[in-house]
Amino acid sequence: AQKVTQAQTEISVVEKEDVTLDCVYETRDTTYYLFWYKQPPSGELVFLIRRNSFDEQNEISGRYSWNFQKSTSSFNFTITASQVVDSAVYFCALSEAQSGYSTLTFGKGTMLLVSP
Amino acid sequence: SAVISQKPSRDICQRGTSLTIQCQVDSQVTMMFWYRQQPGQSLTLIATANQGSEATYESGFVIDKFPISRPNLTFSTLTVSNMSPEDSSIYLCSAIQSPYEQYFGPGTRLTVT
Repeated sequence: AQKVTQAQTEISVVEKEDVTLDCVYETRDTTYYLFWYKQPPSGELVFLIRRNSFDEQNEISGRYSWNFQKSTSSFNFTITASQVVDSAVYFCALSEAQSGYSTLTFGKGTMLLVSP
Repeated sequence: SAVISQKPSRDICQRGTSLTIQCQVDSQVTMMFWYRQQPGQSLTLIATANQGSEATYESGFVIDKFPISRPNLTFSTLTVSNMSPEDSSIYLCSAIQSPYEQYFGPGTRLTVT
């Protein structure tokens, strides 16, 4: 069973629009971590955020914000006032207590295209 | 955060040959991993590189095809053996830094012809 679902395969927006990338996860562990990574066309994977399952506070970092809701098993990522440089594939990932929080299970990724 | 480098950054190889990818971390880390990302796909864990012992492979990956070494706490290699076009992928190494944050190298783009 897929543990991390990113239902949006590709999203296209125009610069300055806000965009939300969805992530739904599944786990039996009560303690786990959720992550978002950005993969620009160059291919490297850039760490964006880590969230502990006990911390449901929303987080904001500049134009980025994350909404974690355990009730719906979702960890959504919003980019405000998108820019062309935000164009990339974004991956949501999960690490669980049963693996010692070591192995990451990735979603299939959402490709974000921001046009000028 | 740890800085991770990989060599080579890309290569084009012939079917039947082998390629060894190197991963270097700028600080000692307890856990290192190797992932594969096939074209247009997500990342799949190949194995955990254990220092001083054999790597732990995920289902679908075997040591004969993907031998891994980890001689110390900052370095690991992944060999892709007897390559076929299906092995064309990006191979990424990663390392965990406390608390549970996993950082990735820039990846090695492998094309097998």
